[in-house]
Amino acid sequence: GAGVSQSPSNKVTEKGKDVELRCDPISGHTALYWYRQSLGQGLEFLIYFQGNSAPDKSGLPSDRFSAERTGGSVSTLTIQRTQQEDSAVYLCASSSGTSGGQETQYFGPGTRLLVL
Amino acid sequence: RKEVEQDPGPFNVPEGATVAFNCTYSNSASQSFFWYRQDCRKEPKLLMSVYSSGNEDGRFTAQLNRASQYISLLIRDSKLSDSATYLCVVGRGRRALTFGSGTRLQVQP
Repeated sequence: GAGVSQSPSNKVTEKGKDVELRCDPISGHTALYWYRQSLGQGLEFLIYFQGNSAPDKSGLPSDRFSAERTGGSVSTLTIQRTQQEDSAVYLCASSSGTSGGQETQYFGPGTRLLVL
Repeated sequence: RKEVEQDPGPFNVPEGATVAFNCTYSNSASQSFFWYRQDCRKEPKLLMSVYSSGNEDGRFTAQLNRASQYISLLIRDSKLSDSATYLCVVGRGRRALTFGSGTRLQVQP
């Protein structure tokens, strides 16, 4: 079956521009996560959606970052007024949600963002 | 202090060697434990869950020590294809899983 998909796979933008990154989770998965991974670094948690509950936004690094999940499926991560330090791979993952976030997460291939 | 700590490595081992990674976690309320594998420029993928009694999957053995709050991964008879970064992952409550920064393994011919 189809896994988690993300688009675009690569994005180059100029400092100060806004970008939108898209994630399509595995069908039926109620939990969706966004992470960021800088070159050679570990995963940095950004935001977690679980069903209709209020999202856990505790990992968002600044108010330039926001995310939404429409209809409990597709999610969009928006970065406003991008900065060079936003350059990273943005990974989306989904899980069944049956264990309140403790279950296996399945990752998409990521979006490589480069801010010039 | 990070919630999940791992030795970043790299661990350079010859083919056929046995290698062990440890990981420590800071929160005693942690309930779920995993090892993920991440190949260079790829997304992380689940390697195995870690159960209290310890578990084995082929050449891979995972152990959990709740009293000392550490998790281990043992790889026997290393293959070139085992070269990757191994991520220790911990979960608790209704929160997203917490990923360690990973330990890099390089298996050499």
